[in-house]
Amino acid sequence: AQSVTQLDSQVPVFEEAPVELRCNYSSSVSVYLFWYVQYPNQGLQLLLKYLSGSTLVESINGFEAEFNKSQTSFHLRKPSVHISDTAEYFCAVSRSGNTPLVFGKGTRLSVIA
Amino acid sequence: ETGVTQSPTHLIKTRGQQVTLRCSSQSGHNTVSWYQQALGQGPQFIFQYYREEENGRGNFPPRFSGLQFPNYSSELNVNALELDDSALYLCASTPPPISESSYNEQFFGPGTRLTVL
Repeated sequence: AQSVTQLDSQVPVFEEAPVELRCNYSSSVSVYLFWYVQYPNQGLQLLLKYLSGSTLVESINGFEAEFNKSQTSFHLRKPSVHISDTAEYFCAVSRSGNTPLVFGKGTRLSVIA
Repeated sequence: ETGVTQSPTHLIKTRGQQVTLRCSSQSGHNTVSWYQQALGQGPQFIFQYYREEENGRGNFPPRFSGLQFPNYSSELNVNALELDDSALYLCASTPPPISESSYNEQFFGPGTRLTVL
């Protein structure tokens, strides 16, 4: 079985500062890794994913995450956050292409002006 | 192209009642998954439907049941509601796989917020 641990439940950060949201996973098999974002009163949107290949993956809005197999981590980073990045961020794993997602408990990112 | 839609957006029920939540999958998507997201938690997998059959189930009791229709839309039914069933219920649809090993992204709807009093 897979599990996901998001080490920080809340992360406050000032606008234009860098941020890192931490995610560690546990699995006995290879997994796909994801970050989802949830804005208030909305569903989940896929932010970025790691399936294979380059361990560094990027989103269109400046976020990036690096898959580290030895540390079983998939931390999310952004060099300069905006007010609009305020949201809940969920790390998730999946065993294969069509199996259920296993989510962490989420990290609430609050960007302060 | 219309995305995944869910109805209703909000619902209030009392303990012991039954509820039906509905999901319309994105066009061409033949797999639907349901997740429960309790307050302050990440979504938890309830079950998945593929070609009108249940195709996997999470750790939820039998009073959580579902249906998938020939047009791939889906229903989640919960009987004998309990206070702990209060949550955001998310539906996600997935397109047919290109190959057995290909990854199929799940597209989420906005959710139905159920409050049980």
